[in-house]
Amino acid sequence: DVKVTQSSRYLVKRTGEKVFLECVQDMDHENMFWYRQDPGLGLRLIYFSYDVKMKEKGDIPEGYSVSREKKERFSLILESASTNQTSMYLCASSFEGLATTEQYFGPGTRLTVT
Amino acid sequence: KQEVTQIPAALSVPEGENLVLNCSFTDSAIYNLQWFRQDPGKGLTSLLLIQSSQREQTSGRLNASLDKSSGRSTLYIAASQPGDSATYLCAVRPVFTGGGNKLTFGTGTQLKVEL
Repeated sequence: DVKVTQSSRYLVKRTGEKVFLECVQDMDHENMFWYRQDPGLGLRLIYFSYDVKMKEKGDIPEGYSVSREKKERFSLILESASTNQTSMYLCASSFEGLATTEQYFGPGTRLTVT
Repeated sequence: KQEVTQIPAALSVPEGENLVLNCSFTDSAIYNLQWFRQDPGKGLTSLLLIQSSQREQTSGRLNASLDKSSGRSTLYIAASQPGDSATYLCAVRPVFTGGGNKLTFGTGTQLKVEL
């Protein structure tokens, strides 16, 4: 079974703090993704990575950065957390491929910035 | 730009009913369509993936169909149970987004199956 794990289920941080969210997958997937999910807006892609040290901006990268030093681990960094970054953060991974590749998701991190 | 719509946003049915969830997308140039289930406060669980060359996929009581030319997919759930209560999301992989298996998601249908 594919397993995608996220470092925390719930996190409370203060405005201005630097926040690290970590994601680990155990299936040797090339691709890893960070999404945020907000009511009424659905899932929005923040960043994705298609290889170690490679990254590409998604739809809403502002205020976020990422790091992928090892294939199995993808970190999302909030350099200076703000209240509008309060959200559910979801990590996913997949093989590269065209028609047959599924995305597998972690359990999510509910981040509250006060 | 690809847009994915799911209607209705919420649905409540009695236990045992067969039901259909709808997903529509604006650009038929897709590699595949994936249906997910999300329980409250949890991540997404992949249910079915239909490749663009396929018409349907089945898993247990679930059957998903794809009509790429009309930009529609349906998820059929037979003999619904209270345990099916969750939010169901569909997502497409557009052709013209480069590599990386990027998906475009709908906002989901929240299903409640009542005793």
